[in-house]
Amino acid sequence: GAVVSQHPSWVICKSGTSVKIECRSLDFQATTMFWYRQFPKQSLMLMATSNEGSKATYEQGVEKDKFLINHASLTLSTLTVTSAHPEDSSFYICSASETGGNAYNSPLHFGNGTRLTVT
Amino acid sequence: GNSVTQMEGPVTLSEEAFLTINCTYTATGYPSLFWYVQYPGEGLQLLLKATKADDKGSNKGFEATYRKETTSFHLEKGSVQVSDSAVYFCALSDRSSASKIIFGSGTRLSIRP
Repeated sequence: GAVVSQHPSWVICKSGTSVKIECRSLDFQATTMFWYRQFPKQSLMLMATSNEGSKATYEQGVEKDKFLINHASLTLSTLTVTSAHPEDSSFYICSASETGGNAYNSPLHFGNGTRLTVT
Repeated sequence: GNSVTQMEGPVTLSEEAFLTINCTYTATGYPSLFWYVQYPGEGLQLLLKATKADDKGSNKGFEATYRKETTSFHLEKGSVQVSDSAVYFCALSDRSSASKIIFGSGTRLSIRP
C-alpha cells in the first residue's frame, strides 16, 4: 500500500536553531500534503496545507515565517521550524493523498511523525 | 467552525469485552466522518469511514454509523482483542475541502488479556 516516510522520527535541538522535517510519498505522487501538530493528550491540529509548486496555505494562528513549508516535488514536502524555542516542542505529523484523490475516494496516508524537543 | 469531540481516555477493557468510543461532531453542511487508528510506534491508518447520513462504516469487526440527527459517529466492537490496543481518532472532512481533515483528541484503548 501507499507509504509516507517522515524523517527524522525524533530530533533534539537547542533553542534558536532551525530544524527541517521531511515528508516523502514513497510509491505515489502527492499534489497536496498536510502538516499537523499534536500536543500531549490533544488532537492533531492542522497547521498548513502544502501544495506542490505553490505557496502553502496556513491555518489561522500558525506563523508562516516560523514554520516554513516547501513542496518542491510531487513526492516531497518539508517543514522547517525556524529559530526554535521550547514551546515549539511537539509531535509533528504529515499526511498525503494520491494526486487526484480526496478524502472520499483516496484515504490520507500518514507519516509516523517527528518528535521535536527544543532545549 | 467544524470540530470533533470524542470521549477522553484512557479506556481499559478486558479481552472480549464490548467497546464503545463516543464521538460527536459540529459541522456546516454534510461532512464525511472517519475513524483513524494509531498502533504503538506506527502512523495513523484509516479504520473506517461513512460519507452520508445513516451510512455504516465497518472494518476489522469495528463499526460506526453516521447519525445526522444526533451528530454522532460512535465506534463499536462486540469483542475486543489485545491487538486492538491503540489510539483511536474520530475525524471529519468537509466537502468544500475534501482532503482537509479535522481530528478529535484521540482515545487511548488498552485491552487486558
